[in-house]
Amino acid sequence: KNEVEQSPQNLTAQEGEFITINCSYSVGISALHWLQQHPGGGIVSLFMLSSGKKKHGRLIATINIQEKHSSLHITASHPRDSAVYICAVRSGGGADGLTFGKGTHLIIQP
Amino acid sequence: EPEVTQTPSHQVTQMGQEVILRCVPISNHLYFYWYRQILGQKVEFLVSFYNNEISEKSEIFDDQFSVERPDGSNFTLKIRSTKLEDSAMYFCASRLIMANEKLFFGSGTQLSVL
Repeated sequence: KNEVEQSPQNLTAQEGEFITINCSYSVGISALHWLQQHPGGGIVSLFMLSSGKKKHGRLIATINIQEKHSSLHITASHPRDSAVYICAVRSGGGADGLTFGKGTHLIIQP
Repeated sequence: EPEVTQTPSHQVTQMGQEVILRCVPISNHLYFYWYRQILGQKVEFLVSFYNNEISEKSEIFDDQFSVERPDGSNFTLKIRSTKLEDSAMYFCASRLIMANEKLFFGSGTQLSVL
């Protein structure tokens, strides 16, 4: 069973700061997802990674398969980035369901 | 962007009652999922569904749970006899074809069992 750990659990930063959220997992995977959950509860998919790096606007996601580690970076953070960021993995071997981390609660102060 | 639609947004029921949570996945998607999130806890996988049958289920998805795609658009989760511990936010999700494609989540149904 895959164990997904995220750090930090909580992060408060000032507007404009560079943010890094980390995710590590215990067993080899076929894909890793970064998700965003807003206070109302809805979940939005930000990235799906199986290798390398992806960028969308101010968000960058990287994954190191050998190290079993991924990072989500936010450049020039803004209060609207405040949300819970969740890492979720699809394990290999034909598994379809995702295993989720506990999430990182990010607050960006103006 | 296309959306996964869930109804109702909030459902309150008495312990022991049956509930049906409804989802309308994105129209051309082929894989459907139910996840749940108990308050303050991580999101958990319940079940995946493809080609009109369950393709994978978790330990949580016991005989009290069932899923159905009764027509070409709806995807339902039924809990036969609700327990207090079934209180959670239930999320439906769907994706197109490839295993590593983006997942689209609905906005969730908050189930409260009293």
